[in-house]
Amino acid sequence: EAGVTQFPSHSVIEKGQTVTLRCDPISGHDNLYWYRRVMGKEIKFLLHFVKESKQDESGMPNNRFLAERTGGTYSTLKVQPAELEDSGVYFCASSQDVTSGVPGVTGELFFGEGSRLTVL
Amino acid sequence: AQSVTQLGSHVSVSEGALVLLRCNYSSSVPPYLFWYVQYPNQGLQLLLKYTSAATLVKGINGFEAEFKKSETSFHLTKPSAHMSDAAEYFCAVTSYSSASKIIFGSGTRLSIRP
Repeated sequence: EAGVTQFPSHSVIEKGQTVTLRCDPISGHDNLYWYRRVMGKEIKFLLHFVKESKQDESGMPNNRFLAERTGGTYSTLKVQPAELEDSGVYFCASSQDVTSGVPGVTGELFFGEGSRLTVL
Repeated sequence: AQSVTQLGSHVSVSEGALVLLRCNYSSSVPPYLFWYVQYPNQGLQLLLKYTSAATLVKGINGFEAEFKKSETSFHLTKPSAHMSDAAEYFCAVTSYSSASKIIFGSGTRLSIRP
C-alpha cells in the first residue's frame, strides 16, 4: 500500500512567485492534515480536512495560503505570493477515522516525507 | 492551551549507551502524548503514544517513555543506543478537546558515536 506522497520534494522560488504543493493521502483516509516546520523550529499545524471539507484552518498563517481538497482525495496547498518567511518544510499527514476523533489517538497519523520550500 | 518543550536540540551518545530525550508538556486538560521520529529523507513515524492507560509506554525499536503527571514530563528512553537510532525525535501533545491539532515540540536531533 502506498504511503502519503508529497510533491515536489523541494521547490526553490523567488519572492513574489507562486508555488503549489500537492499531497496524496493514503487511499481511503478521510482526514488530511497540513503542517509546516520553519527553520528547525517546531512543526506547526496549518489545517485539517475531513474529506473535502475544512474542519479546522486556524493554523493558516494568512490569506496568501490556500488549501483545497476537491473530491476529498488529494490536496493542494498554494502559496501566492510567496514571501521569504514561508521557507520551510511542509508536511502532509492522513488518518483513517471518519469521525472527529482525536488525531493520532483514535487513528494513527501517517506523514509524508515533506515538501521543502525555499523562497529567495 | 497546550505546549511541549524538548530540552536539548541536539543529543549525542555513544553506541550502546543509554538514550534519554527529555520532553515536558503543558496542558490544562488530560493530555495525550506522542513521540515521533524522522529518519533522514523520510516522513515522521510514530514511535509510541500515551493515551491515559499505562503510564509506561513501550514503542518500536526498543524505545519507551514514562508519563509523569507530577513532573509534567514524558521523557523518551532506550537502554542501549544503536547507530540506526540516529534521527530527529519530536515530542507532541494533544487532547480530546484539541480536536484537529497535534502540538509538536521543536525536535531533538540524536547522534550516535561509534
